[in-house]
Amino acid sequence: GENVEQHPSTLSVQEGDSAVIKCTYSDSASNYFPWYKQELGKRPQLIIDIRSNVGEKKDQRIAVTLNKTAKHFSLHITETQPEDSAVYFCAASYSWGKLQFGAGTQVVVTP
Amino acid sequence: DTEVTQTPKHLVMGMTNKKSLKCEQHMGHRAMYWYKQKAKKPPELMFVYSYEKLSINESVPSRFSPECPNSSLLNLHLHALQPEDSALYLCASSQPAGASYEQYFGPGTRLTVT
Repeated sequence: GENVEQHPSTLSVQEGDSAVIKCTYSDSASNYFPWYKQELGKRPQLIIDIRSNVGEKKDQRIAVTLNKTAKHFSLHITETQPEDSAVYFCAASYSWGKLQFGAGTQVVVTP
Repeated sequence: DTEVTQTPKHLVMGMTNKKSLKCEQHMGHRAMYWYKQKAKKPPELMFVYSYEKLSINESVPSRFSPECPNSSLLNLHLHALQPEDSALYLCASSQPAGASYEQYFGPGTRLTVT
């Protein structure tokens, strides 16, 4: 099956700084990599995703990069704001209809 | 409507009770999922339904019984649960259950087994 490692487990940043979360995956057949944001007591919310035929995707302050050769993908958040504080999960597709999630990164943005 | 809804929001049940969790989506999605999420952990896949048929069961104990009455509804029937089954149960849906379709989550049911 797929194994997804996510780092760091916690990330503290000053408001306005950038945050980067990195994930690695094991199954070279994985071709879809979503990122979810989960605030305390709320549902996981899909914030951005990337497919294996694309190297980078950007949506306002959020960007995701994918290196298929190295089996790495990363989430970049620029100009962080207090409302960016949450747990972020990366995931990789494998098999049929399955997502393997990383362990999560607790992001804390301090004013 | 771009939401997945779940009821109830909270559920407390004893180990001898029978209860059901409900999930509904009106996005025309043909795949629906049940996940279990423990505190400070990622969601863990339990079941996948595709076109109202059970396509994936991740070796879930039989005390959890899923049901998909139609393409918009998904139920999870609970019976004889254990305290370790206490968790947030999340429903999700996607366009057909393929490897690269976006999954959208409902708000979850927080289950406590006493």
